[in-house]
Amino acid sequence: GNSVTQMEGPVTLSEEAFLTINCTYTATGYPSLFWYVQYPGEGLQLLLKATKADDKGSNKGFEATYRKETTSFHLEKGSVQVSDSAVYFCALKRNSGNTPLVFGKGTRLSVIA
Amino acid sequence: DVKVTQSSRYLVKRTGEKVFLECVQDMDHENMFWYRQDPGLGLRLIYFSYDVKMKEKGDIPEGYSVSREKKERFSLILESASTNQTSMYLCASSPPGQGFHQPQHFGDGTRLSIL
Repeated sequence: GNSVTQMEGPVTLSEEAFLTINCTYTATGYPSLFWYVQYPGEGLQLLLKATKADDKGSNKGFEATYRKETTSFHLEKGSVQVSDSAVYFCALKRNSGNTPLVFGKGTRLSVIA
Repeated sequence: DVKVTQSSRYLVKRTGEKVFLECVQDMDHENMFWYRQDPGLGLRLIYFSYDVKMKEKGDIPEGYSVSREKKERFSLILESASTNQTSMYLCASSPPGQGFHQPQHFGDGTRLSIL
């Protein structure tokens, strides 16, 4: 079946540190991949996406590259800010049929000044 | 921008009550979804719907039902609320299946407490 595995949190970083949140997936075929972010007290927002191998999604200084050979979609940011404190979810969607997203369990990030 | 609106941010109900959670989207999306979010478990899909009057079970449908009488509205129903249904409930919508790369758009969630 389809599944997403994320590194467990919480992750605590100092401001301006480098961030990596690992995400690997299992899927039949070639899914689309997404990162969502959930700020405190809010719903999920799309952060970035990639729809085919070697695509790089980017937004707000975050990046993730679709790596088919390692079935990974790791989230990175070069210099985190306190305002990046949130829960981050990796997700996939099968590229056939009308199927819901499959989410990882989320990784909580806390950035301290 | 897509707007997904959940009727309540916070809700407190009693065991055994019938509870309705309402969700409305304004982008004419065919697909709508209900998830619950619990610490350590992430998001789990309860039910989804691809069209009016259609519904599909997700991963954890037990104890829930749904209603989709109009395209823009998708209701989650707890037939007889129990304390293990205390959770954050998230509604989402998305365009139809041929837009497979299209993301889901989420509401702000309803934090439901069953006493």
